[in-house]
Amino acid sequence: QQQVKQSPQSLIVQKGGISIINCAYENTAFDYFPWYQQFPGKGPALLIAIRPDVSEKKEGRFTISFNKSAKQFSLHIMDSQPGDSATYFCAASMNTGFQKLVFGTGTRLLVSP
Amino acid sequence: NAGVMQNPRHLVRRRGQEARLRCSPMKGHSHVYWYRQLPEEGLKFMVYLQKENIIDESGMPKERFSAEFPKEGPSILRIQQVVRGDSAAYFCASSSRTGRPRRGTEAFFGQGTRLTVV
Repeated sequence: QQQVKQSPQSLIVQKGGISIINCAYENTAFDYFPWYQQFPGKGPALLIAIRPDVSEKKEGRFTISFNKSAKQFSLHIMDSQPGDSATYFCAASMNTGFQKLVFGTGTRLLVSP
Repeated sequence: NAGVMQNPRHLVRRRGQEARLRCSPMKGHSHVYWYRQLPEEGLKFMVYLQKENIIDESGMPKERFSAEFPKEGPSILRIQQVVRGDSAAYFCASSSRTGRPRRGTEAFFGQGTRLTVV
């Protein structure tokens, strides 16, 4: 019940295309859903985050879509660029008073030129 | 303002030795989190500390692992008598406050320490 399931494991998208990564969760106590971007040899960096009281959040080329009833959320990267090639992790946390994150297993994105 | 600093970046230990991983949080941050990332897996929460206190260690293995965050100095993750299964990337994150994260108060990650047990 503490898991966050992420798919696909890897993704290849052409430059200018849309990258879509999906996550699903079971625990309805989760109330914060961030996405992290990780480049090889680096730590994860927060990309964008959403709370369950909204269905969509957009920041630049990155959009989170959230479906509370289905317990699913997804990351869309519009106009994907080679510089977006990285591993993306979805995560979730409960309002426990501190940021204890449960991570998905990651999606390795390759944007071909 | 330097980010979260972890050292060493790479650490090789023989089975049975001790590994000490250090984490200096961002300036002004008093909350530290340790996560472990096994190959081809996501990060898994290990422990959450505030200065001089362990708040939640529910993700820490019961034996051989310990963590501290002293009043002065970095946070330390200590692994005694390492085994091959301890080989992983260990990430530290820090935040300026507790409670529900919002822009500017979210946790920031260091670059990690890659531990290899031979």
